[in-house]
Formats: sequence, C-alpha cells, structure tokens
Amino acid sequence: ETGVTQSPTHLIKTRGQQVTLRCSSQSGHNTVSWYQQALGQGPQFIFQYYREEENGRGNFPPRFSGLQFPNYSSELNVNALELDDSALYLCASSLVGLATSTDTQYFGPGTRLTVL
Amino acid sequence: GESVGLHLPTLSVQEGDNSIINCAYSNSASDYFIWYKQESGKGPQFIIDIRSNMDKRQGQRVTVLLNKTVKHLSLQIAATQPGDSAVYFCAESSGFQKLVFGTGTRLLVSP
Repeated sequence: ETGVTQSPTHLIKTRGQQVTLRCSSQSGHNTVSWYQQALGQGPQFIFQYYREEENGRGNFPPRFSGLQFPNYSSELNVNALELDDSALYLCASSLVGLATSTDTQYFGPGTRLTVL
Repeated sequence: GESVGLHLPTLSVQEGDNSIINCAYSNSASDYFIWYKQESGKGPQFIIDIRSNMDKRQGQRVTVLLNKTVKHLSLQIAATQPGDSAVYFCAESSGFQKLVFGTGTRLLVSP
C-alpha cells in the first residue's frame, strides 16, 4: 500500500467538457507528478508540482493544468476534452528537496477517464 | 478490471523458473532507473531502483542489472510465482524527476 489516493476511480465525460481529477500524496511527501497512460502504453509525464508550483512539464497542451495545495494534495484539470484524452490518469508522489530526498515516485491507483 | 498492455511483448514462464525482463533506454544522460510492476486495474508498483553509479542491485527475489555502455537494463525475478504475473515497466530519469517509461513487458506465469 503506497498511501497515494486518487478520486474518482472512473469518470465519463463528453467531448468539450472540463474535468478535475484529485490526488492525495503519501504521508511525508511534498511532490506530486501526473502521468497519462493510454491503453497498451507506458505512462507519459504531464507535469510535476513542488511547493505549490509547476516544476516541469511534458509535451501536453495548456488545456492540461494543475494545482498543488499546502497539504501537498493536487488536482489535474483538463479543459475542452477530446476523444484522445481517454486514458488512465496517474499521480505519483515523492519526497524532494531534503537531505533524505529520494527520486522514487509512488503511484496511486489512477482515474480512468472516458471521453465520449 | 481494465486491461493494461493489450499488444505488449510477452514473456511466458513456468512457476519456479527465473524470469529476465529486458529494457533498452535512450538517454545517455539518464542517471536513475526504476522498475515498476502494474497489475490490471492498478497503478504502477515500485519494485526496485538503481543509480548510474552502480551496475547491480538486489532486492527480495529481484535483481536489476545496468549496462551503461549499451544502455540496457534488466530485471531478474528468481523463483517466479503466479502472483508475479503483470506488466513490467522500466523507467529512466535524468536528474529532474520526470520519469520516461518504456513500452512494458507482460509476464505470464503458469502454475
């Protein structure tokens, strides 16, 4: 059990709508990364949040945005949903920036988004 | 549950055999490597990691080998069990915490 939780588990939206996905990081972790996993592929990095600021971004358009809160939980927002946005969205938490920091990212169970 | 990796390379082994899963990485600047296990309907689960200043690292029943010369990574699972059946991903990182994942290998363990 990693301690990373995500909600909701499943979500169905229609093209053009907006969606917000939520992630609670593992206790003691201060960094959250978001990944998109299409069926049959490995996860693709979307962005990372550290100290409530975006700390790196992958090759995703601006309609993918996020937030990190003071308790280190995070949200992923996707505007103007497209059919290709259908995927499993994973968040991973890690501890960065301290003497005992580790790069290890621990993943949550994911949110399965279906866009119709 | 959902199906992960419908058309992935597949390794089929018998229970009790040793399994070796291979991964080629592309970025010579990568200095941190991780193996994850992903079961159907679940997120990736950390197995073992290795940094570029090491060639080998062992865990419980698992060993990771790193060959930087040919940019190759392997995961060895000793005495493979049916519960090891899953999709296995290698991931690389180059200082920044962004992980770049490989395409994955499906491991099927027969009793």
